[in-house]
Amino acid sequence: NAGVTQTPKFQVLKTGQSMTLQCAQDMNHEYMSWYRQDPGMGLRLIHYSVGAGITDQGEVPNGYNVSRSTTEDFPLRLLSAAPSQTSVYFCASSYSISDDYEQYFGPGTRLTVT
Amino acid sequence: GQQVMQIPQYQHVQEGEDFTTYCNSSTTLSNIQWYKQRPGGHPVFLIQLVKSGEVKKQKRLTFQFGEAKKNSSLHITATQTTDVGTYFCAVTNYGGSQGNLIFGKGTKLSVKP
Repeated sequence: NAGVTQTPKFQVLKTGQSMTLQCAQDMNHEYMSWYRQDPGMGLRLIHYSVGAGITDQGEVPNGYNVSRSTTEDFPLRLLSAAPSQTSVYFCASSYSISDDYEQYFGPGTRLTVT
Repeated sequence: GQQVMQIPQYQHVQEGEDFTTYCNSSTTLSNIQWYKQRPGGHPVFLIQLVKSGEVKKQKRLTFQFGEAKKNSSLHITATQTTDVGTYFCAVTNYGGSQGNLIFGKGTKLSVKP
């Protein structure tokens, strides 16, 4: 199993540009999440999904869209990038087994918006 | 929403010294998880605590969940340079699902050889 994969690893955008961060998992996990990590801020939840076709907002959803058309994929879209979105983005997935909350993280995407 | 306070923010130790990080919540938690992130890496799951007063050990790491399920600690005995990284606690957002975790801001551990 590849686990959780993310592409690209690095990206530089100009203000106003759009892009999609890709995330895929091959563990048949129901739950998938997107986090951003900024220095001194820990990990903050952007959006999450409890299954295909179901998504919900996390702590910092503004400026980001998600969709979950398949169990495997959970892309994160930036519609109009802003410098405040410069961050490291992590995708994570987990089982749907009750009381098992272990999250498996991808390697991250380092995004810079100029 | 759910919040969890983690202290200290930084800890610098000499190799061989012990290290402890704490997570505190104002509300009762259903469970708590601990993760480690090496510099430049991604968070890696260490353990999950569910029961009141639970204590779990992994070699030199000891994890505790408070009796009231409002606090937790991670203790490392005799630190090694391989312990360097940031340690995060994470809790399920109130009424939330597995995909909806709230992370503490982390404790960054540096170990001087």
